Amino acid sequence: AQKVTQAQTEISVVEKEDVTLDCVYETRDTTYYLFWYKQPPSGELVFLIRRNSFDEQNEISGRYSWNFQKSTSSFNFTITASQVVDSAVYFCALSEAPGGSYIPTFGRGTSLIVHP
Amino acid sequence: ETGVTQTPRHLVMGMTNKKSLKCEQHLGHNAMYWYKQSAKKPLELMFVYSLEERVENNSVPSRFSPECPNSSHLFLHLHTLQPEDSALYLCASSQTGDYGYTFGSGTRLTVV
Repeated sequence: AQKVTQAQTEISVVEKEDVTLDCVYETRDTTYYLFWYKQPPSGELVFLIRRNSFDEQNEISGRYSWNFQKSTSSFNFTITASQVVDSAVYFCALSEAPGGSYIPTFGRGTSLIVHP
Repeated sequence: ETGVTQTPRHLVMGMTNKKSLKCEQHLGHNAMYWYKQSAKKPLELMFVYSLEERVENNSVPSRFSPECPNSSHLFLHLHTLQPEDSALYLCASSQTGDYGYTFGSGTRLTVV
């Protein structure tokens, strides 16, 4: 069975600080996808990134970066120079490839509060 | 319109009422989903429709009744709800075989 753990329930930082959100997953499949979503106060889950299990290259998109480490089953998300608009709940999710359920399992989310 | 649209955004209903939540997607996706998001709990998958057929029902009480008349529309019919059913109900859509989900903004439901 697949499982996603986001151990940090809430993180509070001051604007311009860097912050890393942790995500640890469990799966028996060798082929799977990992996701990060952002949920601002408006409620909609906004897709941020999808990474397949065969691609361990780290990815950077502006102030966002992701560190995928299969050896530790982690897919951590770092926001550099945080801004107030980054305040949201962030969800990590895991989806197993064909042969397993393709429906993602979500972590409990990490609430990020960025203070001005 | 683009994306996934949910109506209403907010709903307050009594325990004896009957109401429906609506979801519409304009992305050409062929799978649609209902999720429940309660405070302090992980996202709970309720129903999955693929090609307009229900393919998953995660032990959801019968007071929740989904309907998918076509690939663009999904409803969640509610009747005789309980206060613990108060939550954010999120609709999502995807194309089977593609692992990207698009979510709506949700309906904030309060049962009084």
